[in-house]
Formats: sequence, structure tokens, C-alpha cells
Amino acid sequence: AQKVTQAQTEISVVEKEDVTLDCVYETRDTTYYLFWYKQPPSGELVFLIRRNSFDEQNEISGRYSWNFQKSTSSFNFTITASQVVDSAVYFCALRGNYGGATNKLIFGTGTLLAVQP
Amino acid sequence: ETGVTQSPTHLIKTRGQQVTLRCSSQSGHNTVSWYQQALGQGPQFIFQYYREEENGRGNFPPRFSGLQFPNYSSELNVNALELDDSALYLCASSLVTRTQGTQYFGPGTRLLVL
Repeated sequence: AQKVTQAQTEISVVEKEDVTLDCVYETRDTTYYLFWYKQPPSGELVFLIRRNSFDEQNEISGRYSWNFQKSTSSFNFTITASQVVDSAVYFCALRGNYGGATNKLIFGTGTLLAVQP
Repeated sequence: ETGVTQSPTHLIKTRGQQVTLRCSSQSGHNTVSWYQQALGQGPQFIFQYYREEENGRGNFPPRFSGLQFPNYSSELNVNALELDDSALYLCASSLVTRTQGTQYFGPGTRLLVL
């Protein structure tokens, strides 16, 4: 079975603090893809990053960075110097190797990040 | 480049009624997926359409059905609405060639069933 676990339900930080959102996944597929999406109060899911299972190189993009570790089945997301505009629900998602054109995402339950001014 | 659009934005129905939600995919995309997101939960995959055919389905009953049109837009139909169908319905489009592309989501339709 495939599963994504985001153990942190809510996180509250003060602006300019660094914050890490945890994601642990389960899959038996050898090829899979991991994603992070941001959902502001408006409801639209905004794509942030995609990683392939065969590419464990970590990535930094501005204030965002991602730490992918296959050994612990984790794909954590860090925001450096958080800002009020970062306040949103963040979802980690997994897509297995279904074959064909099937493009199904398995989402975690999300982490609500509140950045206080 | 036009993003994913959905209509309507909000909808109120009563139990037993039928509803149709619409989605226009992002320019250049050929695949549409639908997700249901209950309050406080992550999105749950309903089904996906590729080349106008259903291609993958989640754990949803047959009263959830859909269509994809030649211009890659899509509809989600739900018959015999139940109270538990109240949720945010999200549409996502992607480009599938030899590999599956990243899904980009629309703003969603909030459905309330009374």
C-alpha cells in the first residue's frame, strides 16, 4: 500500500524563523515521485517541487529547500526566514509507478503553517 | 499560458440531487484528474481522464462519473448527492507523453449538500 504521513498537524512560528515540515512516505515501487503543494486559504493547490526516486540530490530554491532521504523514506521541506505570506496548508504527495497514463497522487493530511508577524 | 479553471466556484445542493462540475485544463495539457477534499483532509483521487477515456479510478462509487472533451476540458458528475459529498472538488491537468507530468490544480469548486 502507498501512504504519506505528515505528523505535524499545525505549526506556528514568528516571522523570520526557520521552519521544517516533515513528510514520511510508504511505497513498494522502486520508481516513484514526490511532491510538495501549498494551499492558501483561497483553496487552490500550488505546485512547489517534484522529486524522482532516483534523484536524491537536495535542492534549494530561494528561501525553500528540500531534503530527500530514501533510507528513511522522508522528504522534508524547510522554509528559511519565514514570512506571513508563507501561511498556508502544505501537502506532501506521492505518485507511484502505475504504468500507462495513470497519474494518481496520494496526499498526506497536510500541515497548517501559521506565521505570526 | 492559461491555467486550470473551474466552474462554478461555489454550489449548494440538496440530498438526492445531481450536480455537474466543470474544468478547463491548462493550455497544452492532455490529462485531467479530479480530487475530493473534505474539510481538514488531504485531497482524495476520484478519477483521471486521458484521451477522453477514464484512466484510473480511486475508491469512489459509480455515482461519481465524468467526461473529457476533445479540447481536453472535463466534467465531473455526481448523482444522488449525499451529505458526505460536501467538499472542495479540485481538478488538475497535466501533460502525459512517455511519462506522466506534474499536475497543476485549479481553484476548486466548493460543494455543500444540505
